[in-house]
Amino acid sequence: GESVGLHLPTLSVQEGDNSIINCAYSNSASDYFIWYKQESGKGPQFIIDIRSNMDKRQGQRVTVLLNKTVKHLSLQIAATQPGDSAVYFCAENGDNQGGKLIFGQGTELSVKP
Amino acid sequence: DAGVTQSPTHLIKTRGQQVTLRCSPKSGHDTVSWYQQALGQGPQFIFQYYEEEERQRGNFPDRFSGHQFPNYSSELNVNALLLGDSALYLCASSLLGTGNTEAFFGQGTRLTVV
Repeated sequence: GESVGLHLPTLSVQEGDNSIINCAYSNSASDYFIWYKQESGKGPQFIIDIRSNMDKRQGQRVTVLLNKTVKHLSLQIAATQPGDSAVYFCAENGDNQGGKLIFGQGTELSVKP
Repeated sequence: DAGVTQSPTHLIKTRGQQVTLRCSPKSGHDTVSWYQQALGQGPQFIFQYYEEEERQRGNFPDRFSGHQFPNYSSELNVNALLLGDSALYLCASSLLGTGNTEAFFGQGTRLTVV
């Protein structure tokens, strides 16, 4: 069935350390993936995306890695800050026509000062 | 640019009642998608509207219906509310043809059914 899952529901890191959040997806035909950050009481906020023809993409302090062989996605946050504390979701484009996004359950990142 | 705006922000309804939630898309966007997010879960796709028509639908009962207006704004209607409908309802807007690469979410409407 359609599903995008996360390996760990919670992650606690020390401020300044690097964070790695993992995600598994089930649809090998998926061609587009997005990471969202959701703070309490707010809607999901776009962080970074990657297409299936890439295996790595970097943004400001964030890097997304895609391993299509094992259908695995990860989000790396460098020098994690208290403001990074939130729930992080990976999402998979349900089709290539701009239709539904399929979200995982989320990983809660907690940054200790 | 106000981004995606949703109203109301919070709502309390009684079981069996009907509710209407509203969404204004980001300027320049023509497609609106609705998601339901239960506590501790990821958003679940309800449906998507484009050119005032339901373009795609997720696994939700007919009690969930929607509408899109000529100005691209949208409404989500839920009839015969159940306790299990309590959730955060999110609206996302995008431009069809960009493959969700420009999808932006609103802050959501927190619906509580009692």
